[in-house]
Amino acid sequence: GAVVSQHPSWVICKSGTSVKIECRSLDFQATTMFWYRQFPKQSLMLMATSNEGSKATYEQGVEKDKFLINHASLTLSTLTVTSAHPEDSSFYICSAHRDSNYGYTFGSGTRLTVV
Amino acid sequence: AQSVTQLDSQVPVFEEAPVELRCNYSSSVSVYLFWYVQYPNQGLQLLLKYLSGSTLVKGINGFEAEFNKSQTSFHLRKPSVHISDTAEYFCAVTAYTGGFKTIFGAGTRLFVKA
Repeated sequence: GAVVSQHPSWVICKSGTSVKIECRSLDFQATTMFWYRQFPKQSLMLMATSNEGSKATYEQGVEKDKFLINHASLTLSTLTVTSAHPEDSSFYICSAHRDSNYGYTFGSGTRLTVV
Repeated sequence: AQSVTQLDSQVPVFEEAPVELRCNYSSSVSVYLFWYVQYPNQGLQLLLKYLSGSTLVKGINGFEAEFNKSQTSFHLRKPSVHISDTAEYFCAVTAYTGGFKTIFGAGTRLFVKA
């Protein structure tokens, strides 16, 4: 149990376009999901906490107008990178917390390359 | 606020040798502790977790970790590593401070040599 699906697994887009990444909890309901960003050979940095039915909570330094988060249902959160630039190229990972016995379950990640 | 320190950025080890990956944390509240493994271009996979109870926790792939509250450590160990254990390992701390928040260590690259 506690499976999180993330799609797409990789995407290449042109500079100035927007990209949407989906994160789904397949066998449980997740009122809270988390979005992380990982630069090469670095750890995961929390970008924002996505709350179902309300606005996301962004970490300091993360542009909320740049990284739009929508958590419209208990099983789906989306991250949209708007007007992407090459510096947005990174590995984005979502996670969801089922309950204390499961800890956090992570999606497989999305490799975004902006050219 | 909590913090996590992984003391070794890289750990090279020969196949079938034992290994220990170190993790220390700090927090003003009670924490849950986790170890994750990440293979190239993949998401994180949970190896093991400490929530409460026995301080020695056994996980998948033969890994285990021991929670030491006095030393605020949660070191990961495996008695005999395989080539396939080569990956990045992350220690993580979750605390509840008005909401659950997880902080990750910088990661330790385990490189198993034949």
